[in-house]
Amino acid sequence: EADIYQTPRYLVIGTGKKITLECSQTMGHDKMYWYQQDPGMELHLIHYSYGVNSTEKGDLSSESTVSRIRTEHFPLTLESARPSHTSQYLCASETGAANEKLFFGSGTQLSVL
Amino acid sequence: KQEVTQIPAALSVPEGENLVLNCSFTDSAIYNLQWFRQDPGKGLTSLLLIQSSQREQTSGRLNASLDKSSGRSTLYIAASQPGDSATYLCAVYQGGKLIFGQGTELSVKP
Repeated sequence: EADIYQTPRYLVIGTGKKITLECSQTMGHDKMYWYQQDPGMELHLIHYSYGVNSTEKGDLSSESTVSRIRTEHFPLTLESARPSHTSQYLCASETGAANEKLFFGSGTQLSVL
Repeated sequence: KQEVTQIPAALSVPEGENLVLNCSFTDSAIYNLQWFRQDPGKGLTSLLLIQSSQREQTSGRLNASLDKSSGRSTLYIAASQPGDSATYLCAVYQGGKLIFGQGTELSVKP
């Protein structure tokens, strides 16, 4: 059973608002990821972290930012939400050891009006 | 640049059939390949992980194969059940990241 949690599960918000999507894991994993997924499309990596104070941008350009102050916590922030940010955001983690599986949270479905 | 392709995009079968889902990738220099299941509106669950040195992995009714040289993997599901209905994604691990295909949406009819 994966112990990785995302909140909120669903979020509907107006344009221009600042939002933070939360992701926490209790498995002590060093590597954490944020993926963006539109309906019927593949997952795109937007941010990842190798550990505390490590953050990297992924393959898909994103206006969001992340922080990694604690091992268990990897929040994603949008300073000013726009309708183009409407998507599903998935958080994942792994130990970072060779050939270990990736564990995903249940996702946050974001709708920006 | 690594590209991962899954065919077919959607598949509908009657209950009890054996079926095969296909995954291909353009760059064979991968570290491992994983198959995931995704239920509607949910996150992903890892089903099987095949290391680059391995040819196949099995878990219950699932069997995944890997042919690195040809850039192909298959996921075999035996005796399919309605509960198997979901989207199945394959992903290759390369450059410290997982690169996903678009998935195959499977529907198993009772």
